[in-house]
Amino acid sequence: QKEVEQNSGPLSVPEGAIASLNCTYSDRVSQSFFWYRQYSGKSPELIMSIYSNGDKEDGRFTAQLNKASQYVSLLIRDSQPSDSATYLCAADINQGGKLIFGQGTELSVKP
Amino acid sequence: DAGVIQSPRHEVTEMGQEVTLRCKPISGHDYLFWYRQTMMRGLELLIYFNNNVPIDDSGMPEDRFSAKMPNASFSTLKIQPSEPRDSAVYFCASSFEGDYYEQYFGPGTRLTVT
Repeated sequence: QKEVEQNSGPLSVPEGAIASLNCTYSDRVSQSFFWYRQYSGKSPELIMSIYSNGDKEDGRFTAQLNKASQYVSLLIRDSQPSDSATYLCAADINQGGKLIFGQGTELSVKP
Repeated sequence: DAGVIQSPRHEVTEMGQEVTLRCKPISGHDYLFWYRQTMMRGLELLIYFNNNVPIDDSGMPEDRFSAKMPNASFSTLKIQPSEPRDSAVYFCASSFEGDYYEQYFGPGTRLTVT
């Protein structure tokens, strides 16, 4: 079983809608979780980090963490075509700095 | 802050040649990571350092790959000899334990081995 799993997509949403990206992880020890955005041909860019159960909001982005269910999600409100990218979920599995990345979910926001 | 700096940005070489990729982490960061990304395999961790010491090199594909970090501001990833299957984008990232290990990536080096 992969340690961090995401649906590869593509996930297609209309402009202005809420995009919901999901991620599950296998190791209950994981404490820190991260969402990266990667545009085609570019490097991954950190957009959200979350360490405690519950929601964390930053502008149009909300990260949600449920450690009991081993589930992390990213909500993007008022989606824009510029949000079209691949979103990578990562977990700090061993609490020692090494991140395990999921395969990424491709998001397409249609005008 | 200048961010993570990598060079070269693009490298085209012939099979059998030696390739050296370079990375300068963000000042003050104590972790440095080398990743490789391909369409087939996604983002793979090759090796990472903590305070210039290699911690985990289990992702290094084979002995043709080697990495060094002689000081806190510089690291190299070397491939000798290179093969066409090494063609990929190589990223360097750095993080700081005090920031919950948030990793910041460099722009990457696109390597093509013909």
